[in-house]
Amino acid sequence: QVQLVQSGAEVKKPGSSVRVSCEASGDSFTRYIVNWVRQAPGQGLEWMGRIIPMFGTSNYAQKFQGRVMIIADKSTNTAYMELSSLTSQDTAVYYCARGDMSWDYMDLWGKGTTVTVSS
Amino acid sequence: DIQVTQSPSSLSASVGDRITITCRASQAIDNYLNWYQQEPGKVPKLLIYAASSLHSGVPSRFSGSGSGTDFTLTISSLQPEDFATYYCQQSYSPPFTFGPGTKVHIK
Repeated sequence: QVQLVQSGAEVKKPGSSVRVSCEASGDSFTRYIVNWVRQAPGQGLEWMGRIIPMFGTSNYAQKFQGRVMIIADKSTNTAYMELSSLTSQDTAVYYCARGDMSWDYMDLWGKGTTVTVSS
Repeated sequence: DIQVTQSPSSLSASVGDRITITCRASQAIDNYLNWYQQEPGKVPKLLIYAASSLHSGVPSRFSGSGSGTDFTLTISSLQPEDFATYYCQQSYSPPFTFGPGTKVHIK
């Protein structure tokens, strides 16, 4: 059974960076897209960006441009999302989600990684 | 960027009711529109993709329609497990924006 296994919760200081991993177990993710979506406490879903592991190409939401990097390691079926210059506004649950190559819908989600930014 | 709006932002309904949620995109997106359900404290789940295609395992009481800029999600007979927040999302062009969500409450 395919699963997306995310790394554990993080507590970070303002101004620091966080790296969240997402491993696709049970399947090769080169057939899919890996999206990153975040959800601040009590708020809605916010798409941050995606990577197409087969090509190594990424797209980012303008809001995060210059502050986010999404990479994929095909040898370990793992994608990473790194967010820098953290502020309290970045406190959220970060999800990775598998995307369909044709329609870009997200049909499989990781359980989420809670990132708390606090001094 | 394509903006996505939803209405209503919340609604109260009873078990067995038929409900409809509307999603509107700021420009034509063909049928690149998806619907997700999120129960409190849980991970979002895909319900409908490509505007009207039911995702595997999703009950047939859920249906989607629309094309261009206007879309709807309908639940034909609300069940207790359907009380949740519903999000639409456009996947026509990045950034793949989500609507703000519609919270369905028990009346």
